[in-house]
Amino acid sequence: AQSVTQLGSHVSVSEGALVLLRCNYSSSVPPYLFWYVQYPNQGLQLLLKYTSAATLVKGINGFEAEFKKSETSFHLTKPSAHMSDAAEYFCAVSDNTDKLIFGTGTRLQVFP
Amino acid sequence: NAGVTQTPKFQVLKTGQSMTLQCAQDMNHNSMYWYRQDPGMGLRLIYYSASEGTTDKGEVPNGYNVSRLNKREFSLRLESAAPSQTSVYFCASERGIYGYTFGSGTRLTVV
Repeated sequence: AQSVTQLGSHVSVSEGALVLLRCNYSSSVPPYLFWYVQYPNQGLQLLLKYTSAATLVKGINGFEAEFKKSETSFHLTKPSAHMSDAAEYFCAVSDNTDKLIFGTGTRLQVFP
Repeated sequence: NAGVTQTPKFQVLKTGQSMTLQCAQDMNHNSMYWYRQDPGMGLRLIYYSASEGTTDKGEVPNGYNVSRLNKREFSLRLESAAPSQTSVYFCASERGIYGYTFGSGTRLTVV
């Protein structure tokens, strides 16, 4: 069965600092992996997705993620945090079915 | 381009009352989903529909029913609301391997 683990329910960084949000997956088949962002009182917006074309995936708002099969990881990074990045971030995995399985989320706080 | 539209945005119910959450998408997607979001638990799948005329249970289906009225619309019904169903409900469409498009959510409180 596929699953996703997000390490750290809360992450705090200073503006301009590196953002690193961790995601590890479990899947019996080559996975499709996603990161979503949720701003307060809004729905989820797709940040980026991995579909086996390239291991380093670039998304919107300067975020990127690297698929590491040996570590079963898909961590999300951004070189320099901005105040507007404060939100909740969800990692999700899909096998070859229609469904996505979501992690429990990581809330990112950015301090000036 | 509306995407996925959910109504209502907010609702307060008394225990035992019933209601239907509506969802419509205009992207011609075959697959549609209902999730609930609770603090610290991420999103959990309630029901999904892989195509018009089919529905299947997800992880947490108890207390809910769904109807795939046509390709555009997928409704979620609470027959007898309970406080444990207080949550934020999200509808989504598109196959999982492509990444969902989400609606803006319905915040439901059952008192």
